[in-house]
Amino acid sequence: DFIMTQSPDSLAVSLGERATIKCKSSQSVLYSSNNKNYLAWYQQKPGQPPKLLIYWASTRESGVPDRFSGSGSGTDFTLTISSLQPEDVAVYYCQQYYSTQRSTFGQGTKLEIK
Amino acid sequence: QVQLVESGGGVVQPGRSLRLSCAASGFTFSNSGIHWVRQAPGKGLEWVAVISYDGSYKYYADSVRGRFTISRDNSKNTVFLQMNSLRADDTAVYYCARGDLAYYFDYWGQGTLVTVSS
Repeated sequence: DFIMTQSPDSLAVSLGERATIKCKSSQSVLYSSNNKNYLAWYQQKPGQPPKLLIYWASTRESGVPDRFSGSGSGTDFTLTISSLQPEDVAVYYCQQYYSTQRSTFGQGTKLEIK
Repeated sequence: QVQLVESGGGVVQPGRSLRLSCAASGFTFSNSGIHWVRQAPGKGLEWVAVISYDGSYKYYADSVRGRFTISRDNSKNTVFLQMNSLRADDTAVYYCARGDLAYYFDYWGQGTLVTVSS
């Protein structure tokens, strides 16, 4: 089974500063035949469903601001918000979709304004 | 535009059953897999089940296997989640999301709340 572990559990960053969230998978999510990492990032604001931000570890979903970026490969991944805005306050989740039979989410990282 | 609308949630006693529906529009439903994901109050996301575009593949989380059944009716653009033998720890908001097997979830519904309580 894939276990996704995010760090930190919560994070407070000043407006305009960089926010960095880590995600570590217990197994590699890199599929060698296509060299793609089966890793996505979602943003969830209170009372709303999750919203897809990043897929294939580093591809930004259409309409997502370019201050959001994803990086990493294999088992270690990072979501970076380059300049924090008030509307970025949310909980962020990573997800592996490598396993056809069972997707898994990280426990979530709560991002607040310092 | 793509829309997923869940329904069927409510308050149910432990041991009873409930059936959730996910009605889809704005895309070719019969070409898309659909997942159910739940979120207990104040907790994180838990993947529950997936059904392939044609219903031939169905997979479940260990926590619900043998109690929950996912199905779909492509003529009605709807996916169902039959939940039997409900327990208190099944209490959650249940979301449906579009995504094929081994694929990310690009659209989510607003969710429906299931409360299991006596």
